[in-house]
Amino acid sequence: QKEVEQNSGPLSVPEGAIASLNCTYSDRGSQSFFWYRQYSGKSPELIMFIYSNGDKEDGRFTAQLNKASQYVSLLIRDSQPSDSATYLCAVIGGGGNKLTFGTGTQLKVEL
Amino acid sequence: EAGVVQSPRYKIIEKKQPVAFWCNPISGHNTLYWYRQNLGQGPELLIRYENEEAVDDSQLPKDRFSAERLKGVDSTLKIQPAELGDSAVYLCASSSNTDTQYFGPGTRLTVL
Repeated sequence: QKEVEQNSGPLSVPEGAIASLNCTYSDRGSQSFFWYRQYSGKSPELIMFIYSNGDKEDGRFTAQLNKASQYVSLLIRDSQPSDSATYLCAVIGGGGNKLTFGTGTQLKVEL
Repeated sequence: EAGVVQSPRYKIIEKKQPVAFWCNPISGHNTLYWYRQNLGQGPELLIRYENEEAVDDSQLPKDRFSAERLKGVDSTLKIQPAELGDSAVYLCASSSNTDTQYFGPGTRLTVL
């Protein structure tokens, strides 16, 4: 079992729709969770972080965390073509500061 | 505030040659990370520094890779000799006292 798992996609959504990106993790002691956006040929860019169960909203982005289910998601409302990128889920495990990434989900927002 | 700076941005070398990458973290960030990212994969940690001390180098292939962070600021990652499988993007990241890591633009290495 991979430490952080994501569906590689591509996930295609029409412009204006809600994109839902999902991630599961194996270390039940994990405390910190991050979503990074990575455009093709560019480096990862931090979108959101979440530490507590529940929802955290920032503009069009909402991160959701459910530690009991070991599940974290990212919702993007009113998706725009500029949101087309690979979204990386990253988790800091219970053992320390090591950030473990999933393989990323490719999102395509279509006109 | 300036971000993480890396150089070079691109490097093409022949196998068995040495190569070095340089990173300047965000000012005031005491933690520095080197990651390797293969195509279609997420970044994988190679080494983490707290100031000038390497506190996690368990994933660094020590037979050919080395790193240093003199004076706890800039860092250099070296590969000698390079192999075909080392072709990847090498990312540097830094953080302050929080968990949040900020990435530099990366160095794309091609080994021929």
